[in-house]
Amino acid sequence: DAMVIQNPRYQVTQFGKPVTLSCSQTLNHNVMYWYQQKSSQAPKLLFHYYDKDFNNEADTPDNFQSRRPNTSFCFLDIRSPGLGDTAMYLCATSRDAGAGRDTEAFFGQGTRLTVV
Amino acid sequence: GESVGLHLPTLSVQEGDNSIINCAYSNSASDYFIWYKQESGKGPQFIIDIRSNMDKRQGQRVTVLLNKTVKHLSLQIAATQPGDSAVYFCAEILYSSASKIIFGSGTRLSIRP
Repeated sequence: DAMVIQNPRYQVTQFGKPVTLSCSQTLNHNVMYWYQQKSSQAPKLLFHYYDKDFNNEADTPDNFQSRRPNTSFCFLDIRSPGLGDTAMYLCATSRDAGAGRDTEAFFGQGTRLTVV
Repeated sequence: GESVGLHLPTLSVQEGDNSIINCAYSNSASDYFIWYKQESGKGPQFIIDIRSNMDKRQGQRVTVLLNKTVKHLSLQIAATQPGDSAVYFCAEILYSSASKIIFGSGTRLSIRP
């Protein structure tokens, strides 16, 4: 059974039209991540939540926002998508890394976003 | 700075041979490392992990080596099979940064029959 579920799998949106990608998890993990992955590149961390604490990467554009209404769900909002935002968007979860415990991240299958 | 993959080198290996995939990580304070396998159109999948206080860890057909002196990780795959074809990424984790997971540059593994 899928543990990290992303919807939709494929999304086409118009230039400048807001779009929301969703992620849900059944693992009850307290950390959730959003990554952007462009073709032939490594996933790039946009931001992550440690419980309710939001951690934004310094180079993440303001155009990208996130919401985490509860433990299970996390959303990626792109306010005004540009052509350069065409990419795979990956959601991941991990459990608490406190006290040096290992922090394997479980990934969803991704949402492939195309901006036209 | 943090490592971000900007290109994807390819390693071509004969089926049945051993594969060695290398990765240079960026932060000497990283606490924990993971190797991920990513098949086309799918999310990364966990392969094996290693803590910073170890230098070697073995799994089923895979071994990870960590050299903290030169900030280098390697993934060894024994008896490479066609199903091993994928892109492989290393990732580093800093516990002090709220479990931030940063990916290194990937390597595409191609298997020759």
